[in-house]
Amino acid sequence: DAGVIQSPRHEVTEMGQEVTLRCKPISGHNSLFWYRQTMMRGLELLIYFNNNVPIDDSGMPEDRFSAKMPNASFSTLKIQPSEPRDSAVYFCASRKETDSNQPQHFGDGTRLSIL
Amino acid sequence: GNSVTQMEGPVTLSEEAFLTINCTYTATGYPSLFWYVQYPGEGLQLLLKATKADDKGSNKGFEATYRKETTSFHLEKGSVQVSDSAVYFCALKAGGSYIPTFGRGTSLIVHP
Repeated sequence: DAGVIQSPRHEVTEMGQEVTLRCKPISGHNSLFWYRQTMMRGLELLIYFNNNVPIDDSGMPEDRFSAKMPNASFSTLKIQPSEPRDSAVYFCASRKETDSNQPQHFGDGTRLSIL
Repeated sequence: GNSVTQMEGPVTLSEEAFLTINCTYTATGYPSLFWYVQYPGEGLQLLLKATKADDKGSNKGFEATYRKETTSFHLEKGSVQVSDSAVYFCALKAGGSYIPTFGRGTSLIVHP
């Protein structure tokens, strides 16, 4: 089975530009998570979707960040306008919510650099 | 609230040394416990898990035992290899919560 697929793997852009990160979860998984990882703050949960519906977005840093999940096989995380402090590795993870013991499956991340 | 505390890294060892990475937790109810590993340039991947007290999770020579009395889930390996160099994350998922809680991660560096 294909794992969680994220694109692009690397993104370098100038501040003020719009950035869109993409994620394809594992087929059959009904929960999706977006995380941000930095040296200073570690792994931070940004938003959690269940059955394509945003359940918890309390980790989204500010209004410049938005996330959508239009269907079960695709999600986007958008930053507009981007700022240098948004530079980080962004991970998408999915899980099948059959019971509480299921682990998350992570993509390989998007390394974002805002100049 | 729920929390996971891991020992600060980096942990630096020589090949074939014994490894322990400490993890303690605070949670309501009876959580499931996980260890994830992150190799350079990759996402986290599940290493092992335990779902109830006294369970031992094991994989690739790594082991961890769910200790309810000490609220701990320490990761151990008898003989580490250079290829084990990675960042290790302890995590819990409490019953009734869909969102897991991760520790800060512990970097392991193994020298030949």
